[in-house]
Amino acid sequence: QKEVEQNSGPLSVPEGAIASLNCTYSDRGSQSFFWYRQYSGKSPELIMSIYSNGDKEDGRFTAQLNKASQYVSLLIRDSQPSDSATYLCAVRMNTGFQKLVFGTGTRLLVSP
Amino acid sequence: GAGVSQSPSNKVTEKGKDVELRCDPISGHTALYWYRQSLGQGLEFLIYFQGNSAPDKSGLPSDRFSAERTGGSVSTLTIQRTQQEDSAVYLCASSLTIGTNYGYTFGSGTRLTVV
Repeated sequence: QKEVEQNSGPLSVPEGAIASLNCTYSDRGSQSFFWYRQYSGKSPELIMSIYSNGDKEDGRFTAQLNKASQYVSLLIRDSQPSDSATYLCAVRMNTGFQKLVFGTGTRLLVSP
Repeated sequence: GAGVSQSPSNKVTEKGKDVELRCDPISGHTALYWYRQSLGQGLEFLIYFQGNSAPDKSGLPSDRFSAERTGGSVSTLTIQRTQQEDSAVYLCASSLTIGTNYGYTFGSGTRLTVV
């Protein structure tokens, strides 16, 4: 089992729809969770972080965390073509806690 | 500096040559991380520094890889006797400190091609 798992996609949504990106992780003791956006040929950019169970909203983005299910998700409301990118889930685990472990990313395509 | 700076942005080298990749973190950031990303793959952890110390070198793929950090600032990743499988984008990131809820800020990466 991979430490951090994401569906590679692509996830295709029409402009204006809600995009839902999911991530599961193996270490039940994981402490903090991050979502990065990576445009093709560019480096990852931090867009959201979440540490406690529940929802955290920032503009059109909502991160959701369920530690009991070892599941974290990112919702993008009113998706725009400019949101088309690969979204990486990163987890700071309880062991080796000084580094983030990244999933392989989900590619999102938003069509006009 | 305002962001994480990496150089060179692109490097083409012949198999068997040594290469040095440089990272200049955000000023005041004590933690520095090296990852690499192969085409279509996720980010693979290589090594991290807290100050000038490297507590976790577990991700270095072989003894051909080494890294150092001086003055709590600039870091150099050295790959000796490069192989074609070393071709990847090498990403450096920094954060204010370790063991906290801070995410990383990444540099723009060095694309290494071994021919």
